[in-house]
Amino acid sequence: EAGVTQFPSHSVIEKGQTVTLRCDPISGHDNLYWYRRVMGKEIKFLLHFVKESKQDESGMPNNRFLAERTGGTYSTLKVQPAELEDSGVYFCASSQRDRVVKELFFGEGSRLTVL
Amino acid sequence: QKEVEQNSGPLSVPEGAIASLNCTYSDRVSQSFFWYRQYSGKSPELIMSIYSNGDKEDGRFTAQLNKASQYVSLLIRDSQPSDSATYLCAVNTGFQKLVFGTGTRLLVSP
Repeated sequence: EAGVTQFPSHSVIEKGQTVTLRCDPISGHDNLYWYRRVMGKEIKFLLHFVKESKQDESGMPNNRFLAERTGGTYSTLKVQPAELEDSGVYFCASSQRDRVVKELFFGEGSRLTVL
Repeated sequence: QKEVEQNSGPLSVPEGAIASLNCTYSDRVSQSFFWYRQYSGKSPELIMSIYSNGDKEDGRFTAQLNKASQYVSLLIRDSQPSDSATYLCAVNTGFQKLVFGTGTRLLVSP
Protein backbone atom coordinates (compact mmCIF):
# COMPACT_ATOMS: atom_id res chain seq x y z
CA GLU A 1 0.00 0.00 0.00
CA ALA A 2 1.35 3.40 -0.95
CA GLY A 3 2.07 5.78 1.88
CA VAL A 4 1.53 9.51 2.05
CA THR A 5 3.34 11.14 -0.83
CA GLN A 6 4.34 14.76 -1.10
CA PHE A 7 5.60 16.82 -3.99
CA PRO A 8 7.98 18.52 -4.45
CA SER A 9 10.50 17.17 -1.99
CA HIS A 10 12.39 20.45 -2.11
CA SER A 11 11.50 23.85 -3.53
CA VAL A 12 13.71 26.93 -3.64
CA ILE A 13 11.96 30.19 -4.49
CA GLU A 14 12.54 33.89 -4.07
CA LYS A 15 10.63 36.10 -1.72
CA GLY A 16 7.39 37.21 -3.32
CA GLN A 17 6.99 34.16 -5.52
CA THR A 18 4.29 31.53 -5.25
CA VAL A 19 4.72 27.88 -4.38
CA THR A 20 2.18 25.08 -4.35
CA LEU A 21 2.81 21.94 -2.37
CA ARG A 22 0.87 18.78 -3.02
CA CYS A 23 -0.06 15.87 -0.78
CA ASP A 24 -1.57 12.53 -1.73
CA PRO A 25 -2.86 10.79 1.40
CA ILE A 26 -3.22 7.07 1.89
CA SER A 27 -6.21 5.84 -0.08
CA GLY A 28 -9.35 5.77 2.03
CA HIS A 29 -8.07 8.12 4.70
CA ASP A 30 -10.65 10.82 5.31
CA ASN A 31 -8.44 12.87 7.60
CA LEU A 32 -5.68 14.93 6.07
CA TYR A 33 -3.41 17.27 8.01
CA TRP A 34 -0.76 19.81 7.20
CA TYR A 35 2.05 20.48 9.67
CA ARG A 36 5.15 22.62 9.40
CA ARG A 37 8.56 22.49 11.00
CA VAL A 38 10.61 25.66 11.00
CA MET A 39 14.32 25.07 11.62
CA GLY A 40 15.08 24.51 15.27
CA LYS A 41 11.43 24.47 16.26
CA GLU A 42 8.83 21.80 16.84
CA ILE A 43 6.47 20.43 14.22
CA LYS A 44 3.38 22.64 14.34
CA PHE A 45 -0.17 22.00 13.22
CA LEU A 46 -1.47 24.06 10.33
CA LEU A 47 -4.86 22.61 9.44
CA HIS A 48 -7.06 19.56 9.23
CA PHE A 49 -9.42 18.33 6.50
CA VAL A 50 -12.11 15.72 6.82
CA LYS A 51 -12.68 14.71 3.24
CA GLU A 52 -13.00 18.02 1.40
CA SER A 53 -14.06 20.08 4.43
CA LYS A 54 -11.72 22.17 6.55
CA GLN A 55 -12.31 21.10 10.15
CA ASP A 56 -9.66 23.18 11.83
CA GLU A 57 -7.42 25.78 10.26
CA SER A 58 -6.38 27.43 13.50
CA GLY A 59 -2.70 26.86 12.80
CA MET A 60 -2.55 28.64 9.45
CA PRO A 61 -0.14 31.55 9.93
CA ASN A 62 -1.89 34.15 7.79
CA ASN A 63 -3.91 34.65 4.63
CA ARG A 64 -0.90 34.07 2.42
CA PHE A 65 -1.51 30.38 2.97
CA LEU A 66 -4.34 28.61 1.16
CA ALA A 67 -5.11 24.92 1.48
CA GLU A 68 -7.56 23.00 -0.64
CA ARG A 69 -8.71 19.43 -0.91
CA THR A 70 -10.95 19.24 -3.89
CA GLY A 71 -12.92 16.02 -4.11
CA GLY A 72 -11.61 14.85 -0.79
CA THR A 73 -8.55 13.17 -2.27
CA TYR A 74 -5.25 15.01 -2.68
CA SER A 75 -4.57 18.36 -1.08
CA THR A 76 -2.59 21.42 -2.07
CA LEU A 77 -1.05 24.10 0.09
CA LYS A 78 -0.28 27.34 -1.70
CA VAL A 79 1.89 30.08 -0.30
CA GLN A 80 1.44 33.40 -2.08
CA PRO A 81 3.46 35.56 -1.84
CA ALA A 82 6.17 33.66 -0.02
CA GLU A 83 8.17 35.37 2.72
CA LEU A 84 11.53 34.41 4.24
CA GLU A 85 9.89 33.14 7.44
CA ASP A 86 7.88 30.60 5.44
CA SER A 87 11.00 28.48 4.98
CA GLY A 88 10.73 25.10 6.61
CA VAL A 89 9.57 21.56 6.06
CA TYR A 90 5.88 21.10 5.35
CA PHE A 91 4.56 17.71 6.38
CA CYS A 92 1.32 16.16 5.30
CA ALA A 93 -0.28 13.37 7.29
CA SER A 94 -3.39 11.29 6.94
CA SER A 95 -5.43 8.99 9.12
CA GLN A 96 -8.58 6.95 9.11
CA ARG A 97 -11.70 8.59 10.39
CA ASP A 98 -11.77 8.26 14.19
CA ARG A 99 -13.41 10.42 16.82
CA VAL A 100 -10.04 11.28 18.27
CA VAL A 101 -6.72 11.14 16.54
CA LYS A 102 -4.88 7.89 16.76
CA GLU A 103 -2.17 7.01 14.31
CA LEU A 104 -1.10 9.67 11.83
CA PHE A 105 0.83 8.54 8.80
CA PHE A 106 3.26 11.20 7.66
CA GLY A 107 4.80 11.95 4.32
CA GLU A 108 8.49 12.72 3.99
CA GLY A 109 7.78 16.42 3.78
CA SER A 110 8.32 19.21 1.30
CA ARG A 111 11.27 21.40 2.17
CA LEU A 112 10.64 25.02 1.24
CA THR A 113 13.49 27.49 1.04
CA VAL A 114 12.58 31.13 0.47
CA LEU A 115 15.52 33.33 -0.52
CA GLN B 1 6.18 27.52 28.70
CA LYS B 2 6.08 25.16 25.76
CA GLU B 3 3.14 22.80 25.56
CA VAL B 4 5.36 19.75 25.09
CA GLU B 5 8.95 19.80 26.30
CA GLN B 6 11.78 17.46 25.42
CA ASN B 7 15.51 17.63 25.92
CA SER B 8 16.99 18.14 22.46
CA GLY B 9 20.02 15.97 23.24
CA PRO B 10 21.91 14.36 21.77
CA LEU B 11 21.45 11.45 24.12
CA SER B 12 24.37 9.10 23.61
CA VAL B 13 24.18 5.48 24.72
CA PRO B 14 26.35 2.47 23.91
CA GLU B 15 24.93 -0.43 21.94
CA GLY B 16 22.98 -2.80 24.16
CA ALA B 17 22.18 -0.20 26.81
CA ILE B 18 18.78 1.20 27.75
CA ALA B 19 17.92 4.58 26.27
CA SER B 20 15.50 6.68 28.30
CA LEU B 21 13.69 9.53 26.59
CA ASN B 22 11.52 11.94 28.52
CA CYS B 23 8.72 14.34 27.74
CA THR B 24 6.59 16.68 29.84
CA TYR B 25 3.40 18.40 28.78
CA SER B 26 1.50 21.34 30.15
CA ASP B 27 -2.16 20.69 29.29
CA ARG B 28 -3.82 18.56 31.98
CA VAL B 29 -6.68 17.58 29.67
CA SER B 30 -4.32 15.77 27.31
CA GLN B 31 -5.83 12.44 26.41
CA SER B 32 -3.41 10.51 24.27
CA PHE B 33 0.32 10.42 23.84
CA PHE B 34 2.55 9.29 21.03
CA TRP B 35 6.20 8.66 20.33
CA TYR B 36 7.38 9.11 16.76
CA ARG B 37 10.79 8.20 15.40
CA GLN B 38 12.25 10.31 12.60
CA TYR B 39 15.36 9.47 10.65
CA SER B 40 17.06 12.42 9.00
CA GLY B 41 15.15 13.53 5.91
CA LYS B 42 12.45 10.92 6.40
CA SER B 43 8.88 10.97 7.62
CA PRO B 44 8.03 10.71 11.32
CA GLU B 45 6.96 7.13 12.06
CA LEU B 46 4.73 6.15 14.97
CA ILE B 47 6.40 3.67 17.29
CA MET B 48 4.27 3.85 20.44
CA SER B 49 0.97 5.25 21.61
CA ILE B 50 -0.29 5.31 25.20
CA TYR B 51 -3.62 6.45 26.58
CA SER B 52 -3.74 5.48 30.27
CA ASN B 53 -1.41 5.70 33.24
CA GLY B 54 1.21 3.04 33.58
CA ASP B 55 3.48 1.15 31.23
CA LYS B 56 2.89 -0.16 27.76
CA GLU B 57 5.40 -2.52 26.23
CA ASP B 58 5.96 -3.41 22.57
CA GLY B 59 9.07 -5.40 21.81
CA ARG B 60 12.12 -3.42 22.91
CA PHE B 61 10.05 -0.30 23.50
CA THR B 62 8.20 0.67 26.68
CA ALA B 63 6.13 3.81 27.01
CA GLN B 64 5.37 5.12 30.48
CA LEU B 65 2.67 7.64 31.31
CA ASN B 66 2.08 9.53 34.53
CA LYS B 67 -0.79 11.97 34.11
CA ALA B 68 -0.50 13.34 37.65
CA SER B 69 3.05 14.44 36.91
CA GLN B 70 2.25 15.25 33.26
CA TYR B 71 5.12 13.11 32.17
CA VAL B 72 5.56 10.51 29.45
CA SER B 73 8.70 8.56 28.70
CA LEU B 74 10.03 6.05 26.21
CA LEU B 75 12.50 3.33 27.12
CA ILE B 76 14.42 1.50 24.44
CA ARG B 77 16.03 -1.70 25.65
CA ASP B 78 19.04 -3.31 23.99
CA SER B 79 19.63 -0.16 21.96
CA GLN B 80 20.97 -0.69 18.46
CA PRO B 81 22.84 1.71 16.15
CA SER B 82 19.76 1.57 13.91
CA ASP B 83 17.79 3.21 16.73
CA SER B 84 19.82 6.39 16.21
CA ALA B 85 17.22 8.96 15.19
CA THR B 86 15.21 11.85 16.54
CA TYR B 87 12.36 10.82 18.81
CA LEU B 88 9.34 13.10 18.84
CA CYS B 89 6.85 13.22 21.67
CA ALA B 90 3.34 14.22 20.60
CA VAL B 91 0.28 14.93 22.70
CA ASN B 92 -3.37 15.09 21.76
CA THR B 93 -5.41 17.44 23.92
CA GLY B 94 -8.66 16.52 22.24
CA PHE B 95 -10.16 16.51 18.80
CA GLN B 96 -7.82 15.93 15.92
CA LYS B 97 -4.69 17.95 16.58
CA LEU B 98 -1.30 16.76 17.82
CA VAL B 99 1.13 19.03 19.65
CA PHE B 100 4.76 18.00 19.19
CA GLY B 101 7.90 18.52 21.20
CA THR B 102 11.09 19.55 19.45
CA GLY B 103 12.41 16.01 19.64
CA THR B 104 15.35 14.27 21.29
CA ARG B 105 18.22 13.12 19.14
CA LEU B 106 19.42 9.66 20.14
CA LEU B 107 22.86 8.36 19.19
CA VAL B 108 23.63 4.68 19.76
CA SER B 109 27.32 3.90 19.38
CA PRO B 110 28.54 0.43 18.35
